[in-house]
Amino acid sequence: AQSVTQPDIHITVSEGASLELRCNYSYGATPYLFWYVQSPGQGLQLLLKYFSGDTLVQGIKGFEAEFKRSQSSFNLRKPSVHWSDAAEYFCAVGARGSGGSNYKLTFGKGTLLTVNP
Amino acid sequence: KAGVTQTPRYLIKTRGQQVTLSCSPISGHRSVSWYQQTPGQGLQFLFEYFSETQRNKGNFPGRFSGRQFSNSRSEMNVSTLELGDSALYLCASSRGLAGDEQYFGPGTRLTVT
Repeated sequence: AQSVTQPDIHITVSEGASLELRCNYSYGATPYLFWYVQSPGQGLQLLLKYFSGDTLVQGIKGFEAEFKRSQSSFNLRKPSVHWSDAAEYFCAVGARGSGGSNYKLTFGKGTLLTVNP
Repeated sequence: KAGVTQTPRYLIKTRGQQVTLSCSPISGHRSVSWYQQTPGQGLQFLFEYFSETQRNKGNFPGRFSGRQFSNSRSEMNVSTLELGDSALYLCASSRGLAGDEQYFGPGTRLTVT
């Protein structure tokens, strides 16, 4: 079965600084990979998605993510963080489960981003 | 295009009661997935419905059930509520094809006292 690890529970950056949120996955093949963002009291909003092709994916709000097959990673980056980026970020893997079970999304535990002025 | 809507947004129930949550997907989407989100366990998959059939199920007890109607709207039901069922319940819709992005509703905050 697939799994997702977000090693950083909480990250604090200064406004204007660069950001990288880490995500590692476990799956036998290349899965679908997603990053979502959740603001307090809200649902999740899709930032970007990867399955194949160019390993650098551009998303909304100035975010990008890079797929590295050799490291089973899909890290999210932003060159300059804005105060409005403060939220919780979730990496997700979409794949079929073990035993040929149906496709589903599996989420990491999330990384809470705090932005200092 | 209207987004995913969930009703009610907030709910307070007592242990032992049962509750029904509703989700209306984006028009044209045939798949609805439900997730439970808690601070300790994070986002956990409950089940997915596609064209009125449960297509996938997570590791939750039988007290958690759901259904989907012909218009793709979905409901989930939790019977015999326990304190540990307090959570944000999120619904997500998609076209239902593997790899499709899921679009989330704002969630229903359930508090069990």
